[in-house]
Amino acid sequence: QKEVEQNSGPLSVPEGAIASLNCTYSDRGSQSFFWYRQYSGKSPELIMSIYSNGDKEDGRFTAQLNKASQYVSLLIRDSQPSDSATYLCAVSGSANTGGFKTIFGAGTRLFVKA
Amino acid sequence: KAGVTQTPRYLIKTRGQQVTLSCSPISGHRSVSWYQQTPGQGLQFLFEYFSETQRNKGNFPGRFSGRQFSNSRSEMNVSTLELGDSALYLCASSEGQLTDTQYFGPGTRLTVL
Repeated sequence: QKEVEQNSGPLSVPEGAIASLNCTYSDRGSQSFFWYRQYSGKSPELIMSIYSNGDKEDGRFTAQLNKASQYVSLLIRDSQPSDSATYLCAVSGSANTGGFKTIFGAGTRLFVKA
Repeated sequence: KAGVTQTPRYLIKTRGQQVTLSCSPISGHRSVSWYQQTPGQGLQFLFEYFSETQRNKGNFPGRFSGRQFSNSRSEMNVSTLELGDSALYLCASSEGQLTDTQYFGPGTRLTVL
C-alpha cells in the first residue's frame, strides 16, 4: 500500500464545473497536508495547506481534511482551462530521526475543457 | 525575496560518471529537501538538511548523498550513475518546521546515457 494515494486520472471537467480531487494517506501520525499544482515542465507550487479537520477555503479552492478517515480533498470551483495541471497531495509528519518527512502522492491530472 | 535556485538546469552524463547538483534556498530558510521526480514513480523524497545536518533520508542507495553549507546552500551528489537515475531533481526550501510550506526550485533535468 502506498503511503499517499491519489487517483491518477485524468479527470476531465467542463469549464465552470467543480473539480474534486481526492487523497488518502496511511500514517495516522501525519500532521500537515498540502496540495501542490504542477504544470507540465514546471516545478510544483503550493495551492493550499490544511492542518486541522474541516474545510479551508481560499478563493475558488477548498481543502477538506478528515483525519479519522485519513482523507484529504481539494475542490476547485468554477474550473478554468488554466487549472489544467497535475495536482499533488503531500502529507508531512514528524520523523523518528527528528525534523519532518513529506510524502507526495503520484498526482491527479486535471483537464478543464473550454 | 528571490526564489529557490538550482544549477545546472540541464545535465547530460554517461553511465558510471558522477554528478553534483546545487540548490540555493530562499533567504532565511534553513531547511532544504531534495526530491527525484520520474514519470513512473512521481516525487520521491531523497533527504532533508537543516542547519548543515541531515535530518531525514529516503529510501535511496548510498550513491545518493548530499550536504548543506553554513549559508544553507545545499549540494546533492550521485556517484556511479545508472540509466535509471535519469530524472528531474527538485530541491525545496522551507523554514524547517513541520507546518511550513516547501517552496520548490525549477529543478535540474539529468539525463544519463
